[in-house]
Amino acid sequence: DGGITQSPKYLFRKEGQNVTLSCEQNLNHDAMYWYRQDPGQGLRLIYYSQIVNDFQKGDIAEGYSVSREKKESFPLTVTSAQKNPTAFYLCASKTSLNTGELFFGEGSRLTVL
Amino acid sequence: GNSVTQMEGPVTLSEEAFLTINCTYTATGYPSLFWYVQYPGEGLQLLLKATKADDKGSNKGFEATYRKETTSFHLEKGSVQVSDSAVYFCALGDNYGQNFVFGPGTRLSVLP
Repeated sequence: DGGITQSPKYLFRKEGQNVTLSCEQNLNHDAMYWYRQDPGQGLRLIYYSQIVNDFQKGDIAEGYSVSREKKESFPLTVTSAQKNPTAFYLCASKTSLNTGELFFGEGSRLTVL
Repeated sequence: GNSVTQMEGPVTLSEEAFLTINCTYTATGYPSLFWYVQYPGEGLQLLLKATKADDKGSNKGFEATYRKETTSFHLEKGSVQVSDSAVYFCALGDNYGQNFVFGPGTRLSVLP
């Protein structure tokens, strides 16, 4: 089945540590996105990538980094510079069609201890 | 810039009641409009979409019509079930399909 796989589903981190969240898609989609969701709130865009080896900052990129070395993969690193990293992180992808929708993974919940 | 306004709820209904969740938007050009649903601890799933004015999206008994004159995309269902309990997000995709804006989500609880 085609889809988006995020891992790990749950992650605990000590303050001062960097962590990397994995996102892999086998939908052959060009564009990929990372969103952050906090309890009771909507989604906020962290980074997005339209093509391999290119990505743009979203609304809340500070303290995060990404890479897009392969079409299928768009990992997100939450660095120690992110002041409040505890959140639910969602990866999404879409086709290049203008009217296309986002397809989401199951999410990764990061908790900083 | 583009924006989406959505009733925040929570909304609590009895089974078989009629559901409306209001969504209005501000956008330039010709955006596409979406409703997503999120169950606890999961990602978002597309519920329905409409890509041009007067289009009606429908799925699983839910419907929404793209109204350009009122800049609205209200979600409706004639008879809700307990299994419809979830958070519903209204979203807008820009002209180029690159940037998406989401509403804050509406939590729906359906009681038996």
